[in-house]
Amino acid sequence: AQSVTQLDSQVPVFEEAPVELRCNYSSSVSVYLFWYVQYPNQGLQLLLKYLSGSTLVKGINGFEAEFNKSQTSFHLRKPSVHISDTAEYFCAVTSPSNTGKLIFGQGTTLQVKP
Amino acid sequence: EAQVTQNPRYLITVTGKKLTVTCSQNMNHEYMSWYRQDPGLGLRQIYYSMNVEVTDKGDVPEGYKVSRKEKRNFPLILESPSPNQTSLYFCASRLRGERNYNEQFFGPGTRLTVL
Repeated sequence: AQSVTQLDSQVPVFEEAPVELRCNYSSSVSVYLFWYVQYPNQGLQLLLKYLSGSTLVKGINGFEAEFNKSQTSFHLRKPSVHISDTAEYFCAVTSPSNTGKLIFGQGTTLQVKP
Repeated sequence: EAQVTQNPRYLITVTGKKLTVTCSQNMNHEYMSWYRQDPGLGLRQIYYSMNVEVTDKGDVPEGYKVSRKEKRNFPLILESPSPNQTSLYFCASRLRGERNYNEQFFGPGTRLTVL
């Protein structure tokens, strides 16, 4: 079975500071990894994904994430956050054998303060 | 505009009163699914459908039904809602095939409260 753990439920940070949202996964098979963002009262929007190839993936809005197979992690980073980045962020995993079902982490609320 | 729509967006109901949440997509996607989002639990899959007339249970199917009579629609049915089904529900769709896993589109969500 696959699982995803987001290590922080809330991350407060000041505007223009760097941020890292942590995600660890568990899987016995190869995985595809995703980060989604949910702005208040909206649906989920894909930030970035890792399917194969380069372990450093870049997404929208200046976010990037690094796939680390040995540590089974896929942490999300941004060098300088804006107030508009305040949202809930979800890490998710799936695999070719998983009928496409996304397994989500618990979510991390990023609170950017002025 | 390519999108997944859900109706209603907000619903307050009472225990035992049957309800249906509709989901429709205009992208000709084969795969559709329903998730529920609860605080501290993230999103969990309720049901999914690989194509018309093909549905299967996800991780939390108890108390829910679905149907897939048309490719574009995938309604979620609660025959006898209970308070523990109070949640935020999302419909999602994508094309079939491994290379399309990253192209999953989510609807705007339906916030359901069961009193």
